[in-house]
Amino acid sequence: GAGVSQSPSNKVTEKGKDVELRCDPISGHTALYWYRQSLGQGLEFLIYFQGNSAPDKSGLPSDRFSAERTGGSVSTLTIQRTQQEDSAVYLCASSIQGLWQFFGPGTRLTVL
Amino acid sequence: TQLLEQSPQFLSIQEGENLTVYCNSSSVFSSLQWYRQEPGEGPVLLVTVVTGGEVKKLKRLTFQFGDARKDSSLHITAAQPGDTGLYLCAGGGTSYGKLTFGQGTILTVHP
Repeated sequence: GAGVSQSPSNKVTEKGKDVELRCDPISGHTALYWYRQSLGQGLEFLIYFQGNSAPDKSGLPSDRFSAERTGGSVSTLTIQRTQQEDSAVYLCASSIQGLWQFFGPGTRLTVL
Repeated sequence: TQLLEQSPQFLSIQEGENLTVYCNSSSVFSSLQWYRQEPGEGPVLLVTVVTGGEVKKLKRLTFQFGDARKDSSLHITAAQPGDTGLYLCAGGGTSYGKLTFGQGTILTVHP
């Protein structure tokens, strides 16, 4: 597609369940980023991929959060044993050179 | 930890007025970006400034990067209802583009 796509657009889950969020970056973009946007917190960096490797995972808030990228393309962010404080919009961005990041529309996660 | 303080958090003005949004930090950034975000969408890049003292103009929007590369401002002239949205500043401090975002400014322009 022409832009970054994310799925699902909305996800409602129960506390304690695992969720998977998907990001399809722009074709040819080797860099991929995950951010979290919460009310009152702005956008927080979670993880950066270059190809399939993640040299910077410093923003992942706990070991319940993990992410992988396969084929230098699609990335999945997994949250295990979700908590209410995980409720947020999860945004994915891709880039060629880092400075110009193209963002997807986000996945709104609600943990009940 | 690098932090960006953005102000004001909320701005409600009438069409035709001018406004300025500020982004300040105690840290030096290699680049400073401004984004605009609309409900249900991801942020869209407006401009990137990389040189201290740099000023960039984009139609009615003027962006400035402080001499010390610690602060930036966004000035909108003659605001229009179509300018309504969330404006975000973001500082870049790494070679791979990791961004530190400010809290955002919600701008509402009334007709």
